[in-house]
Amino acid sequence: AQSVTQLDSQVPVFEEAPVELRCNYSSSVSVYLFWYVQYPNQGLQLLLKYLSGSTLVKGINGFEAEFNKSQTSFHLRKPSVHISDTAEYFCAVSGGDTGRRALTFGSGTRLQVQP
Amino acid sequence: DAGITQSPRHKVTETGTPVTLRCHQTENHRYMYWYRQDPGHGLRLIHYSYGVKDTDKGEVSDGYSVSRSKTEDFLLTLESATSSQTSVYFCAISESSGSRSYEQYFGPGTRLTVT
Repeated sequence: AQSVTQLDSQVPVFEEAPVELRCNYSSSVSVYLFWYVQYPNQGLQLLLKYLSGSTLVKGINGFEAEFNKSQTSFHLRKPSVHISDTAEYFCAVSGGDTGRRALTFGSGTRLQVQP
Repeated sequence: DAGITQSPRHKVTETGTPVTLRCHQTENHRYMYWYRQDPGHGLRLIHYSYGVKDTDKGEVSDGYSVSRSKTEDFLLTLESATSSQTSVYFCAISESSGSRSYEQYFGPGTRLTVT
């Protein structure tokens, strides 16, 4: 079984400040890791993913994340946020089994960017 | 955007009535998923499909059934709706092979209220 913990339910931050959204996972097998963003009243959009290779992955909208296997973490970062980044962010893990690719999600972190 | 539509987008129904939600894709992807989204829980997998007539249960499958008679359609049925099934339901799809085979693309969601 696998699980995902997002340590902060809400993160308020001022515009142009840096931000880090934390994600920890547990799994007995190798995993693939994802961050999704959900804007109000919309579906989820993929921000970035880690499948293998470089542990620092870059995504859309200036976001990046670092996979740390020893700490079982996959924290999301952005050096300077904009008002338009206000949304809910979900960390997710897939076990990679070819017969089951479903995602296990964290409970989400609401990023509130203030002017 | 991936070609995924969900219908209806909003529905209010009474306790004890059957309800069917439809997910339709134009991408010809093999894998399809149904999730529900509830505050504090993120998204949780209800059922998924790995091909026509091939389905399996997810984490929260009790009270739900699915069918997939065509590649493009994945139906979710609440056999006898209960208030605990009030939620936002998301459909997702993913490819069976290639570099994007573990990415999931989400539909716009269906908001279901059971009174």
